[in-house]
Amino acid sequence: GQSLEQPSEVTAVEGAIVQINCTYQTSGFYGLSWYQQHDGGAPTFLSYNGLDGLEETGRFSSFLSRSDSYGYLLLQELQMKDSASYFCAVIEEDTGFQKLVFGTGTRLLVSP
Amino acid sequence: GAVVSQHPSRVICKSGTSVKIECRSLDFQATTMFWYRQFPKQSLMLMATSNEGSKATYEQGVEKDKFLINHASLTLSTLTVTSAHPEDSSFYICSARVGQGWDYGYTFGSGTRLTVV
Repeated sequence: GQSLEQPSEVTAVEGAIVQINCTYQTSGFYGLSWYQQHDGGAPTFLSYNGLDGLEETGRFSSFLSRSDSYGYLLLQELQMKDSASYFCAVIEEDTGFQKLVFGTGTRLLVSP
Repeated sequence: GAVVSQHPSRVICKSGTSVKIECRSLDFQATTMFWYRQFPKQSLMLMATSNEGSKATYEQGVEKDKFLINHASLTLSTLTVTSAHPEDSSFYICSARVGQGWDYGYTFGSGTRLTVV
């Protein structure tokens, strides 16, 4: 079966940089995505890595190493509104169709 | 952008009754819809994948007779929780794949908070 592990909680202060790691074990790996979810809300897409390397989107960057089955999300210039849960998600191909499988999730708490 | 409309946003039902949750793709055709369940402070767990015009594919451990999925058109997928019990209380959320080839993503409904009393 598949597994995607993340730290359960990370704390940081406004303006800081934080890195959220994700290690995965899965078959039929297609790519790694990152989502943000505020309490009671739907996940919103942040970033996607289909190939090894770094993808930068504004204050958020994401990295993937396929050989290490590892990726991370880097959040810079943290703001209070960044307090949320962050999920890595693997796009996995199984019996001819693709599905999105989520990691365990990391709760980020940003303090003043 | 592609929008998935999910209803109801909240529902409270009595134990033993059935509840239907709808997800509609508003400005695109959703050949495939994914259904997730999320318990408080936990991750989104994929329950099943519904494909328009065919039977849904359920993940291991998900009871297909309890969670009925219908995807009768390219814009509507429904999840019916039958004979609901308090342990079915959870946040249910749908997602659709948007785009073709290598240029695609996933868009989510706003979720349904189900409380069974």
